Amino acid sequence: AQKVTQAQTEISVVEKEDVTLDCVYETRDTTYYLFWYKQPPSGELVFLIRRNSFDEQNEISGRYSWNFQKSTSSFNFTITASQVVDSAVYFCALSADSGTYKYIFGTGTRLKVLA
Amino acid sequence: GAVVSQHPSWVICKSGTSVKIECRSLDFQATTMFWYRQFPKQSLMLMATSNEGSKATYEQGVEKDKFLINHASLTLSTLTVTSAHPEDSSFYICSASIGGVQETQYFGPGTRLLVL
Repeated sequence: AQKVTQAQTEISVVEKEDVTLDCVYETRDTTYYLFWYKQPPSGELVFLIRRNSFDEQNEISGRYSWNFQKSTSSFNFTITASQVVDSAVYFCALSADSGTYKYIFGTGTRLKVLA
Repeated sequence: GAVVSQHPSWVICKSGTSVKIECRSLDFQATTMFWYRQFPKQSLMLMATSNEGSKATYEQGVEKDKFLINHASLTLSTLTVTSAHPEDSSFYICSASIGGVQETQYFGPGTRLLVL
């Protein structure tokens, strides 16, 4: 079975703090993809990153960085120097061949960045 | 690139009426489109997957006669909620992928449906 766990339901930080959102996944597939999406209050899911299971290199994009560790089945997302505009719900998702590549979403983490 | 639009963004209707929601990929051809439903403060629930020119594949528990999906072209998919009832009130989101189900999904802005 495939599963994505985002144990942090809600996180509040003060602006300029760093924050890490956790994502733990389960799959027996050797080929799979991991994603992060941001859902601001407007509702639209914004694509942030896609990672395939063979690429464990960490990724940095501006204030965003991702740490993919197959050994712990985790794909964590860090926002450095958080801003109020980062306030949103963040979803981690998994897709794999045995699931016909349907997205398995985590329950999301609501991030509140306070000014 | 990879922009997906949805129309309407908001719809309020009376119980018993049918509502059509359009999902368009604006700058790419979408081999596969997906329809999701999201309840307040919850994750997304996949309703169905549609491929252009073929019948949609519905997830278990989703009534195909209630939620009609048509994917007539590579840039347009529609979801029709037939004989809507208050329990159908929800946030409906579509997504589209370039090249097939294994590719990244790009999501539309969603449609909020309120059935009175």
